[in-house]
Amino acid sequence: ETGVTQSPTHLIKTRGQQVTLRCSSQSGHNTVSWYQQALGQGPQFIFQYYREEENGRGNFPPRFSGLQFPNYSSELNVNALELDDSALYLCASSLGPVSYEQYFGPGTRLTVT
Amino acid sequence: DQQVKQNSPSLSVQEGRISILNCDYTNSMFDYFLWYKKYPAEGPTFLISISSIKDKNEDGRFTVFLNKSAKHLSLHIVPSQPGDSAVYFCAASRFSGTYKYIFGTGTRLKVLA
Repeated sequence: ETGVTQSPTHLIKTRGQQVTLRCSSQSGHNTVSWYQQALGQGPQFIFQYYREEENGRGNFPPRFSGLQFPNYSSELNVNALELDDSALYLCASSLGPVSYEQYFGPGTRLTVT
Repeated sequence: DQQVKQNSPSLSVQEGRISILNCDYTNSMFDYFLWYKKYPAEGPTFLISISSIKDKNEDGRFTVFLNKSAKHLSLHIVPSQPGDSAVYFCAASRFSGTYKYIFGTGTRLKVLA
């Protein structure tokens, strides 16, 4: 059974640029949630994707957007990067939106300069 | 507005003794709670969960207690082992079509050999 994988591991971008982060869900999991973890903080819910549609969103601006593909993998896109977007971005997969257990990937460390 | 709080940033415990990690929340509508363990450079690992209809859940060395009237939950690890040294996050959610977890800021546990 393959766990949740994320790419890239690290990324450095300049303010104003756009970034795409990728996530492959655990085998059999059709739901992917994205979280942002700033230094010294707990993960914050960005949004969730189920059946290729957004299924719940946290308090993040529209420049944070996502996609889910038929194979359940997912992308997180961030436009017009700001310095405060520097964080660890985590994706978590689950068996469905009503499954309370979420399994996390190792994360992508994004640095915005 | 921190709805989930872990007021102890760190905790040191002797190997073999009990570790008690605490978490407080403010929203009485939360109906599911999780504990995660996080090692450096890895994503959070699911540890144990508890539904709001229960007040205790056990899994091996790990027990979670929920006190709804006090809006408080705790994770007990008995006996503590050096491999338990990690950052522990509690997370809570109110089910609204899916689970959008709100995480605490984490407690760093160090188990001394």
